[in-house]
Formats: sequence, structure tokens, C-alpha cells
Amino acid sequence: AQTVTQSQPEMSVQEAETVTLSCTYDTSENNYYLFWYKQPPSRQMILVIRQEAYKQQNATENRFSVNFQKAAKSFSLKISDSQLGDTAMYFCAFRRDYGGSQGNLIFGKGTKLSVKP
Amino acid sequence: KAGVTQTPRYLIKTRGQQVTLSCSPISGHRSVSWYQQTPGQGLQFLFEYFSETQRNKGNFPGRFSGRQFSNSRSEMNVSTLELGDSALYLCASSFRLAGFDEQYFGPGTRLTVT
Repeated sequence: AQTVTQSQPEMSVQEAETVTLSCTYDTSENNYYLFWYKQPPSRQMILVIRQEAYKQQNATENRFSVNFQKAAKSFSLKISDSQLGDTAMYFCAFRRDYGGSQGNLIFGKGTKLSVKP
Repeated sequence: KAGVTQTPRYLIKTRGQQVTLSCSPISGHRSVSWYQQTPGQGLQFLFEYFSETQRNKGNFPGRFSGRQFSNSRSEMNVSTLELGDSALYLCASSFRLAGFDEQYFGPGTRLTVT
């Protein structure tokens, strides 16, 4: 069975600084996707970034980037130039790729990020 | 395009009752998944429906059931409610784009069981 672990329950960062959220996962699968989701206090879950396991290049989306270490089964999220609007719960998630279809999301417990002015 | 909508947004029920939650996916999305979010267990997958058929199921008791209609709207039902069923229930709809299932979440239904 796949598991996702986020070892940092809470983190804080000053506005405009950089913060890195950690995530490790365990799987015997070779084809899968990894995601970071953001859930602000309003509760709507939003996809921040995704990484295909077959891609060696780390994904980036504006101020968000990941460090994907497949052999180490590590998938960290770096937020640059943190903004107050980045305050939220961040969930790391795993999803199997069956080729013709994709499985359900398996989430970590989340990291509560607070951006301080 | 309108996003995923869930109704009701808040619900209070008594132990032993049953409840039905509704999810309307984004237009054109044929897959709907349900997740339960609690402080203790985090986010857990309940089930997924695609074209009115349950395609995948999580590890929840039979009190949790769902269905999907021909217009892709989905409902989940919880019978004989227990205090531990208090949670935020999230629905997500998805469509396939370039071999990848793009998934979008709704705002959730907050269920409180007293």
C-alpha cells in the first residue's frame, strides 16, 4: 500500500521569504503522479503543482517549485517570495497511474503554513 | 465554467439518522470522487464514480454508499450516522486531458453528527 508522510505539522515564514515543505512517500509502483494541494481557510482544495514520476525535470509553477528525488521517494515544495495569500494547509498527495486510468489520491496529513507580515 | 458545487454546505444530524450529500461536477466531467476529511484521519478516499458506475472504492463500511446519475451528478449517503462521521466531505470531478485526469475539488459539505 502507498503511504504519504508530511513530517512538519506546522511551519511559518516571513512575507517575501522562501520556505520548503517536506514530503516523503512509499510505493512499489513505477508509474505515478505526485501533487501538492493547497487548502486555504475557506476550504476549497486547489492544485498547486504536479509531478509525473517518469519526468526527471522538477516541475515549476511561478513561485512554486518541487524537488523530486525518485530514488529517495522525496517530494518537497519550495515557495519563493511568500505572500500572505499563501497561508493555508498544504497537502502532498500520490496517485497511481494505471496507464488507461488513474487511481485515487492518497494524501499526507498536511502542513499548516502561516505567512507572517 | 461553473466549478464543482456541493449541497448542502453545512448539515447537522443526530446519531442514528441518515444523510444524503450532493455533488454537481463541472460540465463535461464524467468522473466524480468523494473524500472524507477529519482532523484525526486526514483526507481519505471514499469512492469514485464514472459514467454511473462505481469504478473504485476506499476502505469504508457499507454504511457509506454513493451513486451517479446520467447527468454525472453524484450523491453519497451515510446511514445510521455515528459521531465519528462528523467530517468535511469533499467531492472532486475530473476529465481526461492529454492522458491525465485533471481533478477539481468542490468546497465541501461540513457534516456534524450530535
